[in-house]
Amino acid sequence: DAKTTQPPSMDCAEGRAANLPCNHSTISGNEYVYWYRQIHSQGPQYIIHGLKNNETNEMASLIITEDRKSSTLILPHATLRDTAVYYCIVRVGGGNQGGKLIFGQGTELSVKP
Amino acid sequence: GAVVSQHPSWVICKSGTSVKIECRSLDFQATTMFWYRQFPKQSLMLMATSNEGSKATYEQGVEKDKFLINHASLTLSTLTVTSAHPEDSSFYICSARGQGGEQFFGPGTRLTVL
Repeated sequence: DAKTTQPPSMDCAEGRAANLPCNHSTISGNEYVYWYRQIHSQGPQYIIHGLKNNETNEMASLIITEDRKSSTLILPHATLRDTAVYYCIVRVGGGNQGGKLIFGQGTELSVKP
Repeated sequence: GAVVSQHPSWVICKSGTSVKIECRSLDFQATTMFWYRQFPKQSLMLMATSNEGSKATYEQGVEKDKFLINHASLTLSTLTVTSAHPEDSSFYICSARGQGGEQFFGPGTRLTVL
């Protein structure tokens, strides 16, 4: 079973920041948090991952709380092409090199003009 | 990011036939490959994990004799759906993980069994 819970859907205005929350209260000390997104009828696309420090790349920022029980994915300036289902995943077993990704239900983000 | 391809992108077959789906990592060596299945309006469900040269490890409830997985090289894994039936119609997605731990997904294969 997935170790994460996310709101089923969210709306965001184009050009504004999209903040997608994720709860993972049962995360273990060496388990990483991964974010992927899936645009309709395509394979999931990697966005970002982290262990305990906040992370930023060209796509997004990941904010992980100090107790690691929740995180937030931030898309700083959402565009219509960011409309997708966003999955927050705790990589189970094996740290950052092993284990497996078990998908939850994700958040369907709709970016509106 | 790294590229993972799948072939075919879609397939339609008759009930009772077998279908093979290929998954390739194009620019990296995949020590581990994963196969997922996704039904309409649902999330991805992990079916099995395979390491190159080893037998696949199947998730609970997935029939290993129905979904045959071969991972013969570091860049190729195949999933064969044997004696397919309409309930096997689904979107099958592979994922490949490199030695550094990064994991990328293929574009998926849409299987329709008539």
